[in-house]
Amino acid sequence: ETGVTQTPRHLVMGMTNKKSLKCEQHLGHNAMYWYKQSAKKPLELMFVYNFKEQTENNSVPSRFSPECPNSSHLFLHLHTLQPEDSALYLCASSPSSGEQYNEQFFGPGTRLTVL
Amino acid sequence: GEDVEQSLFLSVREGDSSVINCTYTDSSSTYLYWYKQEPGAGLQLLTYIFSNMDMKQDQRLTVLLNKKDKHLSLRIADTQTGDSAIYFCAERGGQNFVFGPGTRLSVLP
Repeated sequence: ETGVTQTPRHLVMGMTNKKSLKCEQHLGHNAMYWYKQSAKKPLELMFVYNFKEQTENNSVPSRFSPECPNSSHLFLHLHTLQPEDSALYLCASSPSSGEQYNEQFFGPGTRLTVL
Repeated sequence: GEDVEQSLFLSVREGDSSVINCTYTDSSSTYLYWYKQEPGAGLQLLTYIFSNMDMKQDQRLTVLLNKKDKHLSLRIADTQTGDSAIYFCAERGGQNFVFGPGTRLSVLP
């Protein structure tokens, strides 16, 4: 049990659908992250939230919309996705994003398939 | 920008030692990390090393850091089938982590 949970674990959606991914951490951390893991690319950082404020948007297309209502929850809202967006989406948390030693705890990921 | 490189595949026999290598470009990296990802799971931190160290040992794991050459390695002694996974090297010089592409370790019986 890593203390970071993600739902759903698997999601299949059409290009016109709207869906949301949810991440919850039970570790008392203040920073949360979304990563995209594709089959043929290194792990890509998408968004960083520190104390509920977005501190990083790594040139992510607007069809991905993050939301962080509090330090324990992070959402990724999806709409009009493309097949190339199919990937494993990983959520992580850490005590804060500003410390040099900053272990990130990862959730199990949501396997997204866009048809 | 920062870059982290790893070989993509490594096969070893059960009981042998595994050595996974990593090179990075950011000389300001203060901490370097090794993460493990098993099938269907997220990344799990295995170990880390502070940049002013050149070696760290933790049970079967030995991390070697050559800061001059920006080279990091992870040695797994007495490799077991349960060690089969993808191993990611990561560095953190700025605010965010930069991960390598991962090395898929296969342990043969």
